[in-house]
Amino acid sequence: DADVTQTPRNRITKTGKRIMLECSQTKGHDRMYWYRQDPGLGLRLIYYSFDVKDINKGEISDGYSVSRQAQAKFSLSLESAIPNQTALYFCATSRLNEQFFGPGTRLTVL
Amino acid sequence: QQQVKQSPQSLIVQKGGISIINCAYENTAFDYFPWYQQFPGKGPALLIAIRPDVSEKKEGRFTISFNKSAKQFSLHIMDSQPGDSATYFCANAGKSTFGDGTTLTVKP
Repeated sequence: DADVTQTPRNRITKTGKRIMLECSQTKGHDRMYWYRQDPGLGLRLIYYSFDVKDINKGEISDGYSVSRQAQAKFSLSLESAIPNQTALYFCATSRLNEQFFGPGTRLTVL
Repeated sequence: QQQVKQSPQSLIVQKGGISIINCAYENTAFDYFPWYQQFPGKGPALLIAIRPDVSEKKEGRFTISFNKSAKQFSLHIMDSQPGDSATYFCANAGKSTFGDGTTLTVKP
């Protein structure tokens, strides 16, 4: 079984809809992250959490929110999706420096 | 806010050649300099990393060279193979910021 899983893997939604992306990990790491990847722009940090009670904004948090339901679960929400949020979204975990990434969720907002 | 700048954006190398990707950083407080490798349809995965107390680290065909005075670290792929074709990212581990990526294509 994969150490970091993301659901759904693909999602097409419409402008204005609320959508949640979920991430689960079995690595036992305290630190979890959400990134988005756009062509030519690398990975940009949306939110990160160093433990269940710790949530921090990243570089591009506007339009997104997160919930850390447990050590193993970290969800990303788009309250009202817009087309420029079309991207590939990755969840990652770490104990210290090395980050372990999930397989990604491809989100398309029409 | 980008704290690492990566070059080139894309690179084409013949099989057996040497691939070199560079990363310049701003913050001198880094203590961990990683390179991640990403294949299409997959998440990035750590390839190799170095700490600033050494100038070079080699793992198989992959080498990181670290130049503290120039605030740069580089990835060298020796004897490049078509299976190395992927996108490579350097990162600022402390700030969780990544370079824009280098797409490497190794031609057979």
